Parts: sequence; structure tokens; C-alpha cells
Amino acid sequence: RKEVEQDPGPFNVPEGATVAFNCTYSNSASQSFFWYRQDCRKEPKLLMSVYSSGNEDGRFTAQLNRASQYISLLIRDSKLSDSATYLCVVNDNRGYQKVTFGTGTKLQVIP
Amino acid sequence: NAGVTQTPKFQVLKTGQSMTLQCAQDMNHNSMYWYRQDPGMGLRLIYYSASEGTTDKGEVPNGYNVSRLNKREFSLRLESAAPSQTSVYFCASTRDLTGELFFGEGSRLTVL
Repeated sequence: RKEVEQDPGPFNVPEGATVAFNCTYSNSASQSFFWYRQDCRKEPKLLMSVYSSGNEDGRFTAQLNRASQYISLLIRDSKLSDSATYLCVVNDNRGYQKVTFGTGTKLQVIP
Repeated sequence: NAGVTQTPKFQVLKTGQSMTLQCAQDMNHNSMYWYRQDPGMGLRLIYYSASEGTTDKGEVPNGYNVSRLNKREFSLRLESAAPSQTSVYFCASTRDLTGELFFGEGSRLTVL
């Protein structure tokens, strides 16, 4: 079983739709969780951190469920510019040698 | 706002050739990293440098060497390139070991 698993997609959604991605992790010692965004043939960039209480940044909402060991990302009112691959990142806070990246979920927002 | 700069952006090598990927950051970050990204595999850590003067192996170090030349620069060397090293390589930096990773634009390497 992979340490961090994501549905690769692609998720094809119309503009204005709401879409949700899940990511499961296997290491119960994991402490920090993030969503990164990666555009085609570009470098990953931090989208948002994921806090235990859940957090929201505009149209984006991230949730953490420690009991079931998954994190989620919800995007409301999808824009064409949201088309990208979303990477789930898990860190057990023992240093960056212990950061694990998911393989990413591809989102395509359609006009 | 240069951030993290990698060179070269593209390179084609023949099996057995050597080359060095250069990385520099201007954010005064302590920690620097080299990752490779392959289809279906996610980003995998090759080597990292927690601070100037130190380097450590990551998940996939075989076939690579690194040098932390100073606080700004962290290079990755392939001594004898193999087709299995065909990949996209990303350099990244962080202020500390738990902070946001800032990535360079990537170096696309093909080994024939």
C-alpha cells in the first residue's frame, strides 16, 4: 500500500461546479498536511496547509480526519484557472526526509 | 523575485555521460532539497541539505551526488547517467524543516 494515495482522475467538471478530492495516508504518526497545486509542466506550489479543525481559503476548504487517516480538498464555484494537478503532502515532522507526496489528482474545468 | 533558480532547464545525455544540475535560492533559506518526479510515482527525495555544510540521503540517492556549496547553492551530480535517470528534477528550499517548500521550475533530463 502506498504511503499517500490519491485518485489520479482526471476529474472533468463544468465551470461553477463543486468538486472534492480525497487523499488517504498510512502513517498514523503524520503530523502536518498540505495541498500543493501543480500546473502542467510547472513546479508545485503550496495551495494551503490542512489544520485539524479544518480551514478555508476563499473557494477552497481543506479537512483532516485523523481517525480515518484522510484529508480532503473541496473547491467551490470552479474556475477554468483551477485546472491543474493537486498534490497531497504528508509530513511526520521529523524533517523533510519524511515528507511524502501523493501522485496527484488531475482536475480539468470545462467551459 | 527569483526565488529558486535551476539550470539547465532541459538536457539530453547519452548513457555514461556525467552532468551537474545547479540550484540557487535567494531567500536565505537554510534547507535545500533535490526531488525527482516520474509519471505515476509522485515526487521522491534524492538528497537534502538541512543546513549549510550538511547533506543527507533521501529515498532514492543511488547514482547521484550532491554538494552544498554555500547557503545559496545546492548542486546535483550524475556521474554516469543511466536511462532510469530520465526524469524531471526539482530543487526546493525551506526556511526550516517544517515550512513551505519553494520549488524551482524544474530540469527535464533525458538519458538515451
